[in-house]
Amino acid sequence: DTGVSQDPRHKITKRGQNVTFRCDPISEHNRLYWYRQTLGQGPEFLTYFQNEAQLEKSRLLSDRFSAERPKGSFSTLEIQRTEQGDSAMYLCASSLRYSGRHEQFFGPGTRLTVL
Amino acid sequence: TQLLEQSPQFLSIQEGENLTVYCNSSSVFSSLQWYRQEPGEGPVLLVTVVTGGEVKKLKRLTFQFGDARKDSSLHITAAQPGDTGLYLCAGAGNTGNQFYFGTGTSLTVIP
Repeated sequence: DTGVSQDPRHKITKRGQNVTFRCDPISEHNRLYWYRQTLGQGPEFLTYFQNEAQLEKSRLLSDRFSAERPKGSFSTLEIQRTEQGDSAMYLCASSLRYSGRHEQFFGPGTRLTVL
Repeated sequence: TQLLEQSPQFLSIQEGENLTVYCNSSSVFSSLQWYRQEPGEGPVLLVTVVTGGEVKKLKRLTFQFGDARKDSSLHITAAQPGDTGLYLCAGAGNTGNQFYFGTGTSLTVIP
């Protein structure tokens, strides 16, 4: 296990379709984060899990977005009824709760294009 | 509302020049991270600073955390084309539940 992985790396979909992304964190990391990033901007926080519990959700996260981490390992992010404004890079990161340094390690991201 | 402001937003310099990127906030952070991101990839962690006034060096990169833990700077000496990328700072709250990213600095080093 060399790092955070995300699948797929790229997704093109038509407006109105549902999409699901997967994130596999570093194996011993108990915290998992989802971010959205648009071109030339810093990542925007979407949601955060500690083990299987979803502890925080951004106000930016509409009810079309849902995230799960059923066994405290991998996580999925689903977007229902996609809109063109959902086009962005979706990033996953993981960290270890007991690290006082609060360091996050990112995956390569999933690039979503909504036509 | 952007908690962390970075400056400059864009920077284009010649190979061999020095540069400094600033990350400023009115909020106090328990730690602050610097990342570099290349197009189409996720951010890669460069360094974490924790103590106010802390200075860390990573080869030609020098990172400093402000005394009040509200701001930070990244200084690159003798920039090389491989330094090209988007530099991001991120501050962590006390619990590490949420990270706040800066607006980013896009650096281009021209050979």
